Amino acid sequence: EVQLVQSGAEVKKPGESLKISCKGSGYSFTSYWIGWVRQMPGKGLEWMGIIFPGDSETRYSPSFRGQVTMSADKSIRTAYLQWSSLKASDSAMYYCARPYRSGSYERGGFDLWGQGTMVTVSS
Amino acid sequence: DIQMAQSPSSLSASVGDRVTITCRTSQSIASYLNWYQQKPGKAPKLLISVASSLQSGVPSRFSGSGSGTDFTLTISSLQPEDFATYYCQQSYNTPWTFGQGTKVEIK
Repeated sequence: EVQLVQSGAEVKKPGESLKISCKGSGYSFTSYWIGWVRQMPGKGLEWMGIIFPGDSETRYSPSFRGQVTMSADKSIRTAYLQWSSLKASDSAMYYCARPYRSGSYERGGFDLWGQGTMVTVSS
Repeated sequence: DIQMAQSPSSLSASVGDRVTITCRTSQSIASYLNWYQQKPGKAPKLLISVASSLQSGVPSRFSGSGSGTDFTLTISSLQPEDFATYYCQQSYNTPWTFGQGTKVEIK
């Protein structure tokens, strides 16, 4: 089955670090970009950035550049999103998603989504 | 960034109604506009890509139209399973940007 499976919910304190994961299966993991989308409680969707697991090339939204780091380990078919110092405003659901075209994300859309990872940051 | 103006932000409709949601972009994006459906507690689902291309498995009561800066999602006959929030999204430029969402509720 073609799917993206994300790591479980996290509860952290401000200032802590965090790395969440997104594991792809059922397709050629190194042929498709993987994007990350934030959804704050009760709010809309925000595109954070995208990574190509084949060579770890990244594109960040200016709103998220320097706030998070995307990475990937193609040997275990997993993409990651990490924070070095969490803030309460990072509390949100985070989705990974795959564009519908292999090899390119440009002018595309996300047709495969993970189930989401809920991150709660609270003292 | 390309700004997205989606309207209405919410609507109430009955089963069988025809529903139209609009999305306007701050600059021309050709046809690089996608529509998603999101149900509570679930990930978004891609319904329509490049303005009017229905994704596999999506019922034909959903349709999309438009180009340039003005786009429309139409549900021809609303069904109980269609009550959800709908988002437009442009992929003409990065960062991809989404509309604010339209919540379709039961009247």
